[in-house]
Amino acid sequence: SAVISQKPSRDICQRGTSLTIQCQVDSQVTMMFWYRQQPGQSLTLIATANQGSEATYESGFVIDKFPISRPNLTFSTLTVSNMSPEDSSIYLCSVVGTSGASLGQFFGPGTRLTVL
Amino acid sequence: QQQVKQSPQSLIVQKGGISIINCAYENTAFDYFPWYQQFPGKGPALLIAIRPDVSEKKEGRFTISFNKSAKQFSLHIMDSQPGDSATYFCAARGGRRDYKLSFGAGTTVTVRA
Repeated sequence: SAVISQKPSRDICQRGTSLTIQCQVDSQVTMMFWYRQQPGQSLTLIATANQGSEATYESGFVIDKFPISRPNLTFSTLTVSNMSPEDSSIYLCSVVGTSGASLGQFFGPGTRLTVL
Repeated sequence: QQQVKQSPQSLIVQKGGISIINCAYENTAFDYFPWYQQFPGKGPALLIAIRPDVSEKKEGRFTISFNKSAKQFSLHIMDSQPGDSATYFCAARGGRRDYKLSFGAGTTVTVRA
């Protein structure tokens, strides 16, 4: 499976500011996603990070609030803009494996964000 | 609208017992059903996964049972250990070239020593 790292691992931010989260994978992957996990909840897909083009957002998520970059096949960033306390969540990067028949989907360790 | 329904929300099992978590789905286009294990403060870890052409898959103490006609699948944790105490999520993905996962609500499993 791919090794995924995220930076920062956690942060406490003030309302109205923005935070950029980085996701780095140790191998080239085709599919990369960003998920949100609100406290005590399940995971919700924010968007698909497309290499070299604009991300594809799920219903309820917009580019102005969650701009995403993916300059190459191993790296992506998610920015949480103009934050409010409701943005306090764990943000997770996910990739689809490229080896074997399983095409398993793997998650990074997450970025725990608290907005005051 | 939650595409994958998971139950129970939580369960407590004695060490050595069997933990059973159930999931149901509606979208027949789903073609890949993974289970994830998540410990507090960690990202979800892929535990085991199954495709709908297989009725059962076993990996160590973890078994997935899949009933395609009923659109249900379940995770069995045999000989449960305190280290298995975690939150478990079922998910579904599909179909062709659609790699987005739909998650169940999660089940918190507590294994008592």
